[in-house]
Amino acid sequence: EDQVTQSPEALRLQEGESSSLNCSYTVSGLRGLFWYRQDPGKGPEFLFTLYSAGEEKEKERLKATLTKKESFLHITAPKPEDSATYLCAVQMSPNDYKLSFGAGTTVTVRA
Amino acid sequence: GAGVSQSPSNKVTEKGKDVELRCDPISGHTALYWYRQSLGQGLEFLIYFQGNSAPDKSGLPSDRFSAERTGGSVSTLTIQRTQQEDSAVYLCASSRQVGDTQYFGPGTRLTVL
Repeated sequence: EDQVTQSPEALRLQEGESSSLNCSYTVSGLRGLFWYRQDPGKGPEFLFTLYSAGEEKEKERLKATLTKKESFLHITAPKPEDSATYLCAVQMSPNDYKLSFGAGTTVTVRA
Repeated sequence: GAGVSQSPSNKVTEKGKDVELRCDPISGHTALYWYRQSLGQGLEFLIYFQGNSAPDKSGLPSDRFSAERTGGSVSTLTIQRTQQEDSAVYLCASSRQVGDTQYFGPGTRLTVL
């Protein structure tokens, strides 16, 4: 069965303490993997799209990587404003355009 | 530029009533998607539209749910005879073409009493 699993469910970090979030997927033919950030009471905000194993994308303190079975979102030297829920989503086959989401990782960064 | 907009931002209704939720996609985006986010269920797909093609309705949970897209732009999600389990945040997204990156609106929080 195709599925998307994110870990950990929650992550508490000290400001400046780098860490990584994991998104593992079991799909028949990945079309694309997407990372979003969601703040309380708001819609998901797009961060990255990854299409093939080995691909990497960076934006400020965030870096996303992709292998054949999982993706990592690395947060380098986080700040309190990086506190949010990070969602991973996949398009599970070449002709399937809907997003299938993981449950998310809630990151809290303390000053 | 303007992002995806949704209205109302909050809707409280009584069980058994019908509700309509509206989505205005980003100008020029041909694909439009509806998702639902509820506690314990995460974000789940409902339906998507691409241009004039027949919509993919595979995520609609029951025949009480329907959606239309007029003129290739604005979309309305209708829930008939609402139930308490319909309480959730309904999110709309749009993309330039189907399969491209989806950009989300702020959502409509629906509460069924």
